[in-house]
Amino acid sequence: SQTIHQWPATLVQPVGSPLSLECTVEGTSNPNLYWYRQAAGRGLQLLFYSVGIGQISSEVPQNLSASRPQDRQFILSSKKLLLSDSGFYLCAWRGGTDNNYGYTFGSGTRLTVV
Amino acid sequence: AQSVAQPEDQVNVAEGNPLTVKCTYSVSGNPYLFWYVQYPNRGLQFLLKYITGDNLVKGSYGFEAEFNKSQTSFHLKKPSALVSDSALYFCAVRHNAGNNRKLIWGLGTSLAVNP
Repeated sequence: SQTIHQWPATLVQPVGSPLSLECTVEGTSNPNLYWYRQAAGRGLQLLFYSVGIGQISSEVPQNLSASRPQDRQFILSSKKLLLSDSGFYLCAWRGGTDNNYGYTFGSGTRLTVV
Repeated sequence: AQSVAQPEDQVNVAEGNPLTVKCTYSVSGNPYLFWYVQYPNRGLQFLLKYITGDNLVKGSYGFEAEFNKSQTSFHLKKPSALVSDSALYFCAVRHNAGNNRKLIWGLGTSLAVNP
């Protein structure tokens, strides 16, 4: 079966510290992968998407970066966190063999920058 | 430009009553339409989709949605609401042509079902 794993579930980091959030997908190959941020429990902001290894598209210029070192691994990073980076981060995938046409989401990471 | 509108920030309904969460869209060509639900501090869960065919789509947890091309709407409905349906609901649209890989999301509607 196809599953998506995202960790950690919660994270409290000081301002200026680095960040690394990881997302992995199982049971599919060559998935389209996405990172979203959700602020204040409402709208979804697409941060990055990737259609293959090493291929990253950035939607919003900001303090974050993304990488895809392996086919089913998608990493969200920052060198120095800002207070404004706090939020709920969601990873999602749309698989090449999936008939759903939509997305499957991970369980999310609640990031609080203090 | 493609867009999705959820005109209501919040919908309140009494348990046992029918519920409707509204969604309208703007996209060139034929749309793919989706509804997702999000419980607090959780990821989004897929409820249902319209790709083609019957305009009335049935999904998870007793929800259904009706695609109305003339009104460019895709409202989510349930005949009898449960308290456990209280959550944040998102409508999304994707253009069905080319290599479009992104969903366009509404801002979400918070549904509160009162006992």
